[in-house]
Amino acid sequence: NAGVMQNPRHLVRRRGQEARLRCSPMKGHSHVYWYRQLPEEGLKFMVYLQKENIIDESGMPKERFSAEFPKEGPSILRIQQVVRGDSAAYFCASSPPGNSNQPQHFGDGTRLSIL
Amino acid sequence: DQQVKQNSPSLSVQEGRISILNCDYTNSMFDYFLWYKKYPAEGPTFLISISSIKDKNEDGRFTVFLNKSAKHLSLHIVPSQPGDSAVYFCAATGHGQNFVFGPGTRLSVLP
Repeated sequence: NAGVMQNPRHLVRRRGQEARLRCSPMKGHSHVYWYRQLPEEGLKFMVYLQKENIIDESGMPKERFSAEFPKEGPSILRIQQVVRGDSAAYFCASSPPGNSNQPQHFGDGTRLSIL
Repeated sequence: DQQVKQNSPSLSVQEGRISILNCDYTNSMFDYFLWYKKYPAEGPTFLISISSIKDKNEDGRFTVFLNKSAKHLSLHIVPSQPGDSAVYFCAATGHGQNFVFGPGTRLSVLP
């Protein structure tokens, strides 16, 4: 009964590089959500995906950020040309199909540091 | 514009006493509310939830109360234990909206 798995746990990048964050949802879960947490703040919704579909990306910055959840493999959050302000903890959550009023289960996050 | 507010950034409680964490929301479309607990360097862990058709939900030491007219919910932990020391996030959703999280309250339970 593996939970939501995120890797890497820590990622260091220099300004201008690309960051790729991976998330494998819980078994049986087909909905994936990405959140960002800045220091001393709450979780901010970024994007909601189902297999091969982006359902809601209203929280994603318009440039440099993209997300996918392919038919096979983990969900990927990709940040191109990273800047210092991208330093944050990025959390992935998943939930089973069906009623949206049910808990999301979170991974332990990826802490992204931009040098 | 914060739709979910947790006005107390921190709270200290003596072990064995009751901890009361508060949360206010502004969006009347929210109909499902959750509390998560978060330890440092870990992801949030789901604790307890409540639907807007209820005003109370209890699970062991944890009870969530919902006052719809005041758009207010609270989490009661009794008795509080040192292991309860963590950051607690309130979250709300409803009608297909995404989860909206509050900024969190850091609870310290003193032995």
